[in-house]
Amino acid sequence: DSGVTQTPKHLITATGQRVTLRCSPRSGDLSVYWYQQSLDQGLQFLIQYYNGEERAKGNILERFSAQQFPDLHSELNLSSLELGDSALYFCASSSLLASSYNEQFFGPGTRLTVL
Amino acid sequence: GQNIDQPTEMTATEGAIVQINCTYQTSGFNGLFWYQQHAGEAPTFLSYNVLDGLEEKGRFSSFLSRSKGYSYLLLKELQMKDSASYLCAVRVLTGGGNKLTFGTGTQLKVEL
Repeated sequence: DSGVTQTPKHLITATGQRVTLRCSPRSGDLSVYWYQQSLDQGLQFLIQYYNGEERAKGNILERFSAQQFPDLHSELNLSSLELGDSALYFCASSSLLASSYNEQFFGPGTRLTVL
Repeated sequence: GQNIDQPTEMTATEGAIVQINCTYQTSGFNGLFWYQQHAGEAPTFLSYNVLDGLEEKGRFSSFLSRSKGYSYLLLKELQMKDSASYLCAVRVLTGGGNKLTFGTGTQLKVEL
């Protein structure tokens, strides 16, 4: 158990819908990262937040947005869902913004299925 | 951008040693990580290199050559439970943050 929690574990929805994925980082971790893992794309970095502020952005679609709240939990919002958005979504956290040894701890993931 | 290459699949025998290679091309390099991932589960951290050389951690070792853009993960005394995907990831500093770019993973199968 990494200490990172994600809810829900599974989510099944229809095309065009909007969903919210939630992540609670490890106690004391200020950085939260979101990743998407699909069968054909591997693990893709989406976005990073540090202490409530967006700090780094990957190939995140405009239909996707995220935020980190004062209690440091984070939410990833996915809207106008398409079949291709079906994937495992992982949240990870780390203690520092960027240091020499700053491993990311991954949550168990949310499996999103878009029908 | 970043480009990371690693073999798609490898097979090895229980008790043996296996080396998984990773080559990368990137700007702003700030460390290379290896993660293990069992199917449907979260990646778990194995090792980290930022300077050239070998880092040893029990049955796992990782090597880095920054000038060659090359790393390998060495697994010794293979066990059946080591059957998993091994992900090479490069960290890059980006403005006020950092991001990990992952390779597509090497699926290791350990056989009797």
